Amino acid sequence: DIQMTQSPSSLSASVGDRVTITCQASQDISNYLNWYQQKPGKAPKLLIYDASNLETGVPSRFSGSGSGTDFTFTISSLQPEDIATYYCQQYDNLPPTFGQGTKLEIK
Amino acid sequence: EVQLVESGGGLVQPGGSLRLSCAASGFTFSSYAMHWVRQAPGKGLEYVSAISSNGGSTYYANSVKGRFTISRDNSKNTLYLQMGSLRAEDMAVYYCARVLEQWLVLGAFDIWGQGTMVTVSS
Repeated sequence: DIQMTQSPSSLSASVGDRVTITCQASQDISNYLNWYQQKPGKAPKLLIYDASNLETGVPSRFSGSGSGTDFTFTISSLQPEDIATYYCQQYDNLPPTFGQGTKLEIK
Repeated sequence: EVQLVESGGGLVQPGGSLRLSCAASGFTFSSYAMHWVRQAPGKGLEYVSAISSNGGSTYYANSVKGRFTISRDNSKNTLYLQMGSLRAEDMAVYYCARVLEQWLVLGAFDIWGQGTMVTVSS
């Protein structure tokens, strides 16, 4: 199985800050990388697919980049409603494995 | 509205069985591969199983292989997960999810159900 390593595992930032989360794959996955947001008690929500494509209806302050093994997820200006846990997921191979998650909190 | 609604969760004893259902609406269910993903209390997302759009291909995580069976009834727009020989470590919220692109087994999961809780305890 492809291992996905996210960092940091938790992050505290202020409203308006630029926030960056990284995800590293254990092997080349091209751009087969997605990012999800999960709020407490809710199902995950797709934000970014194919490394850099913004899902319909998702605010433009969210973005993604990268290819191969190294990927980045960015919130350009943190908003209070962005408090959640974020997961990366590869789908180059079955099983489509997830990173361990990054819990984002407001400072 | 495009929607997935899971049901069938509950309390089951170790070694017991349970069948989860995921009812789809608002889209052509038979055109999409479907997946199950679970999340143990306070933990991250764990992949469980996949099934192709016509049901002809299935995949299981090693942790559930031989104990769980995924299936679908396209005439009823419903996905199933038959779980057997349940263990304490199977206790989790189980989500069904749709793949973004039609026909492809692998891809982003763009539609998720609300989840159904499975509790394994004596």
